[in-house]
Order: sequence, then C-alpha cells, then structure tokens
Amino acid sequence: QSALTQPPSASGSLGQSVTISCTGTSSDVGGYNYVSWYQQHSGKAPKLMIYDVSKRPPGVPDRFSGSKSGNTASLTVSGLQAEDEADYYCNSYAGSNNLGVFGGGTRLTVL
Amino acid sequence: EVQLVESGGGLVQPGHSLRVSCVASGSNISSYWMSWVRQAPGKGLEWVANINQDGNEKHYVDSVKGRFTISRDNAKNSLYLQMNSLRAEDTAVYYCATAFRSAAGIDWGQGTLVTVSS
Repeated sequence: QSALTQPPSASGSLGQSVTISCTGTSSDVGGYNYVSWYQQHSGKAPKLMIYDVSKRPPGVPDRFSGSKSGNTASLTVSGLQAEDEADYYCNSYAGSNNLGVFGGGTRLTVL
Repeated sequence: EVQLVESGGGLVQPGHSLRVSCVASGSNISSYWMSWVRQAPGKGLEWVANINQDGNEKHYVDSVKGRFTISRDNAKNSLYLQMNSLRAEDTAVYYCATAFRSAAGIDWGQGTLVTVSS
C-alpha cells in the first residue's frame, strides 16, 4: 500500500478556516467511507478527530469536519484557534485483506 | 475512554529481537480491534499491525511481514508486538491503540521508543 498524499503544510489566521486534503486511490479513499483524521501536537500521542469520513468522537469540537469526494478526503478546521496548530494525518481503510494506510501528514500553522 | 501504557522499548542491536507490551485500564479491550502504529524520528505515522477481538485475524504492513507478530491476552487486558530480525529502519516510537477495523486508533498510549543500532 502506498501512503496517501497530503500537502506538507497549511496555514490560516485566527478565526479563519482551513482545509487539508488527502488523496488516495479507488483501492482506499475512493473505495470506502472509512477515512479517519488524527491531530498530533509536538511530542504527544495522536488524537482521533474524525472517523468514517465525517463522524466526530465525543469531545471533539464541531469546528472540525470531514468530507470526501472521489479519491480525495478533506478535513476542514473552522474558527481557527491557537491550539489547533499541530500535525494532521489522514488514514484510510484499504479492504478486508489489507491493513490500511496513513497520509504523510500536514503541519498546520495558525498565524 | 481506555488508558493505554506501553513498555518494553529500548536499544537493541540489528538482527536481534524485542517484545513491546501494552496494558489497558479503564475498560476491557476485549471488545476492540487493537493496533500498533509507529513513528520514526521526525517522520509520519505508519500503521504496523492490527488484530481483531478474538485474535484470529491479523494484518501487517508489508515491511514487517514475517518478522513481527501481534498478539493479545484479553484476560490480562494486554496487547503485544514481538519484533524479530530488527533493522535500523524499525527505529521508532511504537504506539498502542484501541481501533476500529477501519481506523488505526481511537484511544492511544504515549508510546515506547525502540532504537535499533549497533
């Protein structure tokens, strides 16, 4: 399985919105509604932010939303706050005989 | 929420073996898929292996197939990763996580560092 493609960096100003893309193939992102997103602050463990493309676990602010179109999934962070500055990783299911795959990560900077 | 604590990391020579462990508290892991995810220094996340609730379905990333074995003991609320024939490129922080079949992690431990070097 090849890694999903994410932009290395993204940025936005306080209060604004930013969208991070995650591009795969019809064998992973495009084939299933099973994309998840993780937030990782420096030196910390990852945290699940979105699963099944657009579902939020309890406790995750509704400023975080997910969507998918074709082979590309997206994470949108609205109303950017300073604490949103972190690395974000997408992750996709890739079928019953495979493990699944992560994207390379996007560093979000809040200006 | 499940609390997870990994242990067993350390410095190991290339070609040698190491077993890392993960103990859960706060909830029984028997209802969850479980994953190991690693992160090499300064690099991104890599899903290494997962295992279903009964331990009879396992999946591995190609780079560790035949060398690593994931296992679990639900009675001890524990997850394991036996790593054989270790290589320098296996150097990473290894995270344990509760999981869905379709997602790498729900609750995560703080990780244990494995360094493969002579």
